[in-house]
Amino acid sequence: DVKVTQSSRYLVKRTGEKVFLECVQDMDHENMFWYRQDPGLGLRLIYFSYDVKMKEKGDIPEGYSVSREKKERFSLILESASTNQTSMYLCASSSEGTDTQYFGPGTRLTVL
Amino acid sequence: AQSVTQLDSQVPVFEEAPVELRCNYSSSVSVYLFWYVQYPNQGLQLLLKYLSGSTLVKGINGFEAEFNKSQTSFHLRKPSVHISDTAEYFCAVSDPQGAQKLVFGQGTRLTINP
Repeated sequence: DVKVTQSSRYLVKRTGEKVFLECVQDMDHENMFWYRQDPGLGLRLIYFSYDVKMKEKGDIPEGYSVSREKKERFSLILESASTNQTSMYLCASSSEGTDTQYFGPGTRLTVL
Repeated sequence: AQSVTQLDSQVPVFEEAPVELRCNYSSSVSVYLFWYVQYPNQGLQLLLKYLSGSTLVKGINGFEAEFNKSQTSFHLRKPSVHISDTAEYFCAVSDPQGAQKLVFGQGTRLTINP
């Protein structure tokens, strides 16, 4: 079974803090994705990566950056957290040439 | 650009009743279509997908969906729901020629009442 894990289920941070959200997959997938999920808006793509050290902006990249130094790990970084970044963050991975994405359990981030 | 509209934000039904969750998409190219389910406090799990071929697609847990190209729809159905089907359901599209990115709808919360 594919397993995608995220470092925290719940996280509380203060405005202005630097926040790291970590995602690890164990199936040697090439593609990894970061989404945020908000009520009534569904999932929106923040960033994705096709390979180590490669990244591309999704639909809402402002205020976020990412890092992929190893194939299995994809980090989402909030350089200076703001209250409007309070949300559920979901990581996913997929194999090259396939369209099925496998999701982690999510991190619920609250920025105070 | 592609977009997905889920016409109902919430659908309450009684146990053992049939249910249909509606999904319409907009795209200038052919698409792949997906339904994902999110149970409480969990990530998303693939229910079913349409890539090509038969327009009626069967998925896990007794769900099925029908691709209708003329109506640009991909509605999800189950003939008899169970309490355990209580979850949020997301419709999504991707471009077969594109970057394997998914565009999601807003989600439909299905509540099953005893």
